[in-house]
Amino acid sequence: DSGVTQTPKHLITATGQRVTLRCSPRSGDLSVYWYQQSLDQGLQFLIQYYNGEERAKGNILERFSAQQFPDLHSELNLSSLELGDSALYFCASSPEGQGNQPQHFGDGTRLSIL
Amino acid sequence: GQNIDQPTEMTATEGAIVQINCTYQTSGFNGLFWYQQHAGEAPTFLSYNVLDGLEEKGRFSSFLSRSKGYSYLLLKELQMKDSASYLCAVRRGASKIIFGSGTRLSIRP
Repeated sequence: DSGVTQTPKHLITATGQRVTLRCSPRSGDLSVYWYQQSLDQGLQFLIQYYNGEERAKGNILERFSAQQFPDLHSELNLSSLELGDSALYFCASSPEGQGNQPQHFGDGTRLSIL
Repeated sequence: GQNIDQPTEMTATEGAIVQINCTYQTSGFNGLFWYQQHAGEAPTFLSYNVLDGLEEKGRFSSFLSRSKGYSYLLLKELQMKDSASYLCAVRRGASKIIFGSGTRLSIRP
């Protein structure tokens, strides 16, 4: 158990819809990272937050947005969903904003778009 | 830009040794991670190298050569449970982490 909690574990929805994925980091971790992993693909870095502020941005689409709340949990919002958005979405956390700390990953949310 | 290359698949025998290579081209290189990921599960941290040389941790070792843009993960005394994908990830600048596509390792008895 990594200590990172993601909900829901599975989500099935239709094209054009909007969903919110939630992540609670490990106790004491200030940084949260979001990744997308499509079938047989590598992890694609989406965005990082540190103590409530956006720290780094990757290949995140404009239809996607995220935020980190004062209690340090984070949400990833995906809107106008397309079939290609079907993927496993991972959240990871680390103690600080510097990238030299290993990231601890949650079990992921599997998103299926019908 | 950045580029991370790893073999897509490898096969090895139980009890043997296997080396998984990773080459990278990136500006602002600031360290390299190796993660293990079993199918459908979360990646788990294996090692982090920022200086040249070999880091040993039990059956797993990781090597880095910054001048060559090269790293490898060495797995000894292979066990069936080592069948997984192994992800090379480069730290770029202060906090950005870029993952390679991973190497799927299959262990045969």
